[in-house]
Amino acid sequence: AQSVAQPEDQVNVAEGNPLTVKCTYSVSGNPYLFWYVQYPNRGLQFLLKYITGDNLVKGSYGFEAEFNKSQTSFHLKKPSALVSDSALYFCAVRDSPGPGYALNFGKGTSLLVTP
Amino acid sequence: DGGITQSPKYLFRKEGQNVTLSCEQNLNHDAMYWYRQDPGQGLRLIYYSQIVNDFQKGDIAEGYSVSREKKESFPLTVTSAQKNPTAFYLCASSMADTGSYEQYFGPGTRLTVT
Repeated sequence: AQSVAQPEDQVNVAEGNPLTVKCTYSVSGNPYLFWYVQYPNRGLQFLLKYITGDNLVKGSYGFEAEFNKSQTSFHLKKPSALVSDSALYFCAVRDSPGPGYALNFGKGTSLLVTP
Repeated sequence: DGGITQSPKYLFRKEGQNVTLSCEQNLNHDAMYWYRQDPGQGLRLIYYSQIVNDFQKGDIAEGYSVSREKKESFPLTVTSAQKNPTAFYLCASSMADTGSYEQYFGPGTRLTVT
């Protein structure tokens, strides 16, 4: 079985400060991990993914995430937050190998960046 | 949202009526998915299809039905058997292989049933 947890419903950060959005996962095999962002009343946009290789993954809009196998975490980070980063962020996991290609999404973390 | 279209953006129906949500993609993806999004609950998988003329139930398939007659299209029907149909519905697609490819999402359809 696969599952993902986002322990924070909301994260508040001042513009220019670093931001972290947390994600932990549980899989029986090797994880495929993804981060998506959603703006109000829109679909999800892909930010980055970890499949294999380097633990530090770089993605769109200056975001990055670090895969930590021992802590089963995949936290999303950005060195300097922008007001425009305010949105809903979802972590997702897929067990590999596993049936089908469906992802298991976390409940989402609302990021608010204040000027 | 590029490459996947969902229509309509907003849909209003009376209780007891079936309603069909459209999803079309021009990305040549084999796999397509339907998710339901409710506030504070994230995305829950309704149905997915890995190939034409084949689909599987997700976590919350009861009260929903789908078809996959063409690679580009994966319509979702919300039937009167669905107890709480009011929600935001998202369609997605991906290349189908080992599942390492990301999913691309449409803009969503907000369904309100009264």
